[in-house]
Amino acid sequence: AIRMTQSPSSFSASTGDRVTITCRASQGISSYLAWYQQKPGKAPKLLIYAASTLQSGVPSRFSGSGSGTDFTLTISCLQSEDFATYYCQQYYSYPQYTFGQGTKLEIK
Amino acid sequence: EVQLVESGGGLVQPGGSLRLSCAASGFTFSSYEMNWVRQAPGKGLEWVSYISSSGSTIYYADSVKGRFTISRDNAKNSLYLQMNSLRAEDTAVYYCARVPVTTKTADYWGQGTLVTVSS
Repeated sequence: AIRMTQSPSSFSASTGDRVTITCRASQGISSYLAWYQQKPGKAPKLLIYAASTLQSGVPSRFSGSGSGTDFTLTISCLQSEDFATYYCQQYYSYPQYTFGQGTKLEIK
Repeated sequence: EVQLVESGGGLVQPGGSLRLSCAASGFTFSSYEMNWVRQAPGKGLEWVSYISSSGSTIYYADSVKGRFTISRDNAKNSLYLQMNSLRAEDTAVYYCARVPVTTKTADYWGQGTLVTVSS
């Protein structure tokens, strides 16, 4: 099975900061990579798919990049509503998805 | 508006059974592949099962294979997950998720239903 590893597992940042979360796949997955945001008690929300395509309605401060095994999610200017947990997900082996362990973004 | 509403969760003893349902509305249900994904308390996301738009193709995670059965009724716009031989490690919030054939990523999720397996 393809393993997805995110880093860091958690970190603190301030409103207005630029932040980057990294996701690494255990084998090449081309661009079959999605990013989700999840807030406590809520369902995950799709932010980005195909590594860099912004889902409709998602603010442009979110961006994704990468291909093969290394990927990043960048939030260019953190807003208060962005404090949440973020998951990467590979769908190279669709429908057998695997997710990263999550990155919890907290307010400094 | 796309809506996915799960139901059927609850408390069940180890070895017991439960059937989850997911009612879909606001889109052409029969055109979408569907998945169940679960999340144990305080943990990350785990894919559980997939069903194609017609119901002809099905996959399961190894952790539930032989115990869980996914199905759908396109006439009723509903997705199901029959869970048998439940174990403590099956305790989780179970989400149904819609997957467009074009993107292969889950673009809408239900709010989830909590399954607790405990004696």
